Amino acid sequence: NAGVMQNPRHLVRRRGQEARLRCSPMKGHSHVYWYRQLPEEGLKFMVYLQKENIIDESGMPKERFSAEFPKEGPSILRIQQVVRGDSAAYFCASSTGGPGTDTQYFGPGTRLTVL
Amino acid sequence: DQQVKQNSPSLSVQEGRISILNCDYTNSMFDYFLWYKKYPAEGPTFLISISSIKDKNEDGRFTVFLNKSAKHLSLHIVPSQPGDSAVYFCAARREIGNQFYFGTGTSLTVIP
Repeated sequence: NAGVMQNPRHLVRRRGQEARLRCSPMKGHSHVYWYRQLPEEGLKFMVYLQKENIIDESGMPKERFSAEFPKEGPSILRIQQVVRGDSAAYFCASSTGGPGTDTQYFGPGTRLTVL
Repeated sequence: DQQVKQNSPSLSVQEGRISILNCDYTNSMFDYFLWYKKYPAEGPTFLISISSIKDKNEDGRFTVFLNKSAKHLSLHIVPSQPGDSAVYFCAARREIGNQFYFGTGTSLTVIP
């Protein structure tokens, strides 16, 4: 049973370019979460999605950032017109979203470097 | 607004001794708590969890304790091994909305 997949693992962009980060959840998981980890900091929640729906985007910057989780295919975190401050590790996690003891499982992360 | 707090950014322990990592939370609506372990350049790995209806859960060398009245949980690792050296995150889930909140992490170093 494959775990959470993220690609690319490393992404280098110049300022002003677009970054697209992909996340394929674990089989059977319909809930996806995106987190950002800045250097020397903890995990910061960005957005929580179910298939075709954004449930909570309270942690995502209002401008330049967007996320989707289409009916078919991976979840995409898109950052437009990247700036140096966007350089970070971006982690995706998935869960079944069921009641009770639901657990998030993380992917290996995408390390974004903005030159 | 940090609803889950890990006040110790780092901890060093001698191999074979007990490691105790602490976590405090503020929201009484949290019903499920988790600990994750993270190595550099990797994603967090689920370690152990506890439901709010319990006060202790044990899995091998790892035990999580929950004190709901104090809104405090802790992770005990006994005996500590050098391979346990990593950053440990605690997390809490609020059932309504199915949202997870993470602490800022504690870096554990186990000295051989």
